Formats: sequence, structure tokens, C-alpha cells
Amino acid sequence: GIQVEQSPPDLILQEGANSTLRCNFSDSVNNLQWFHQNPWGQLINLFYIPSGTKQNGRLSATTVATERYSLLYISSSQTTDSGVYFCAVSTGNQFYFGTGTSLTVIP
Amino acid sequence: KAGVTQTPRYLIKTRGQQVTLSCSPISGHRSVSWYQQTPGQGLQFLFEYFSETQRNKGNFPGRFSGRQFSNSRSEMNVSTLELGDSALYLCASSLSRGWGEQYFGPGTRLTVT
Repeated sequence: GIQVEQSPPDLILQEGANSTLRCNFSDSVNNLQWFHQNPWGQLINLFYIPSGTKQNGRLSATTVATERYSLLYISSSQTTDSGVYFCAVSTGNQFYFGTGTSLTVIP
Repeated sequence: KAGVTQTPRYLIKTRGQQVTLSCSPISGHRSVSWYQQTPGQGLQFLFEYFSETQRNKGNFPGRFSGRQFSNSRSEMNVSTLELGDSALYLCASSLSRGWGEQYFGPGTRLTVT
């Protein structure tokens, strides 16, 4: 199956700092999504982004499908941004989550 | 619009028993997918249902099964529970099949003793 690797695995930021999370995948995919899992386990859909760039408030994402990677940008981080960020990709008949980036934002 | 709901939220079972988990998708969504999350294996795809038919299946033993009803609600069943089945089970719904934009429920945390 496809390998989906995220970096960095762990990230600690001061409130107000910016960060870039990366997702690399090993083969062509049909689509790519970014999720945020809060400390209570709830997965929140951030972006559905098979290619191109999208922005939503302080968050933006870029997927370069031909080079098999996606980036999630978080600007002016807040303590509520803490949690685990997952990218996930689908092929024709399978869905794969990445390894996750655990983000801690300290006040 | 109400979100995805899952019941029960917490469950404790004994090895060898079976368990049924339920998922109600967002109104109008016809695709329901199930996932297992464990500390060791991370998030893994179990199966996808669309229009009452299983469309795709992950790499799990036959003890894991599911179904989808005409109102798009879905159930997942695990028979002959093992300690390793302890996990957070998440379901997600989307408008179309094939993992369009997915919206997740809060999950069912299953503990097998």
C-alpha cells in the first residue's frame, strides 16, 4: 500500500508563531485531506485538497500532486491549535492516514 | 445540520464477546466509512459503505463486519473480541462514495478486558 509520512512528528510552538507541516506520499492518489484531532479524539476536517492551494482563516494548505507532497501552514498559532494533525489520501479502493504531527502551542 | 453521531461513546467488553457499534451520518450523506485508531497502528481504514453496499474494505480479519441501512445509518460488528481490538472506532460520512470530503463522529472507545 501507499506510505504516507508526516513531518515533523512533534512540534512545540510559542503562541503567535507560524509553522509548516509536511505530508509525503509514495504513489499517485485520488485525493488528499487534512484533519485536526483534538485532545478528546474528535477529528475535524480542515481541507479537502487533491491539488492546488486553499486558505481558511489562519490555516492554508498546498498540495503538489505531481511531486507527491502536501503542506499545511498554520499562522499566528493559538493554544486551541494544539492536537494532532493528520493528512490522509485515497487510491481507488483504499484510504490511508499519515503518521501524524503532534502540535503543542504554549502560551 | 446535525453532525455524525456514534453510539455508544464508551464500551467495555470481555475477550470472546461480540460488539455492535452504530453510526448515524449527516443528513443527506450516503457514504459511511469506519476506522480504527490504536496507539501502535495509528488510524486504519476498516470499510466503506455506500447505498447499503460495502464498496471497499481494509486489511482486517473477517471478525470485523458491517452493514448499512436504507437510511444510510451504519453498524459495525466485531465478533470474538481480542485484547488487541481495544481502540477508538471512528466513523465518517461524506456525500459521495470514494472518500469525498469526510466528516467524523466523536468515536466509540472500546476496551476489551
